[in-house]
Amino acid sequence: AQTVTQSQPEMSVQEAETVTLSCTYDTSESNYYLFWYKQPPSRQMILVIRQEAYKQQNATENRFSVNFQKAAKSFSLKISDSQLGDTAMYFCAFASLSGANNLFFGTGTRLTVIP
Amino acid sequence: DTEVTQTPKHLVMGMTNKKSLKCEQHMGHRAMYWYKQKAKKPPELMFVYSYEKLSINESVPSRFSPECPNSSLLNLHLHALQPEDSALYLCASSQDTGMNTEAFFGQGTRLTVV
Repeated sequence: AQTVTQSQPEMSVQEAETVTLSCTYDTSESNYYLFWYKQPPSRQMILVIRQEAYKQQNATENRFSVNFQKAAKSFSLKISDSQLGDTAMYFCAFASLSGANNLFFGTGTRLTVIP
Repeated sequence: DTEVTQTPKHLVMGMTNKKSLKCEQHMGHRAMYWYKQKAKKPPELMFVYSYEKLSINESVPSRFSPECPNSSLLNLHLHALQPEDSALYLCASSQDTGMNTEAFFGQGTRLTVV
């Protein structure tokens, strides 16, 4: 069984600063996908960034980047130049390569960007 | 159009009521999903439909009955629910069930069972 752990229930960051959200996971599979989703107060889950486990290069998407450490089963999200619109709940998620888009979510980190 | 539309946005129902949640997408996606999200918890998968056929049922009680009448629509029929079923119900869709395709989520229906 897969588990996804986010050890930071809440974080805050000053506008324009950088923040890193932690995520660890446990799986016996060798090929899988990892995701960060954002859920603002509007409730809609929005994909922020995706990483394929077989790719060694860390994914980046504009101000968002990940630090993927496969051996350590760690998948942290770095947000640079934080903006007020980044305030949201952030979920780390795991999906098996063979899974039917069955996303296992972590418990989430509530991020507040302070003006 | 990259939207997944869910109706209603809010629903209050009694334990003896029958109601339905609706989800619609016009992106040509062939996989659709229902997730349940309790307050301050992550979403949990309930059902997966692939090409209008139910492919995954995560041991969901029979008082929840999904239906996929066509490739654009996904319903969740509710009957004899319990107060503990109160939650945010999220619908999602993806091009297919392969993980190389992005899942798009709707804004959810917040259900309260009284």
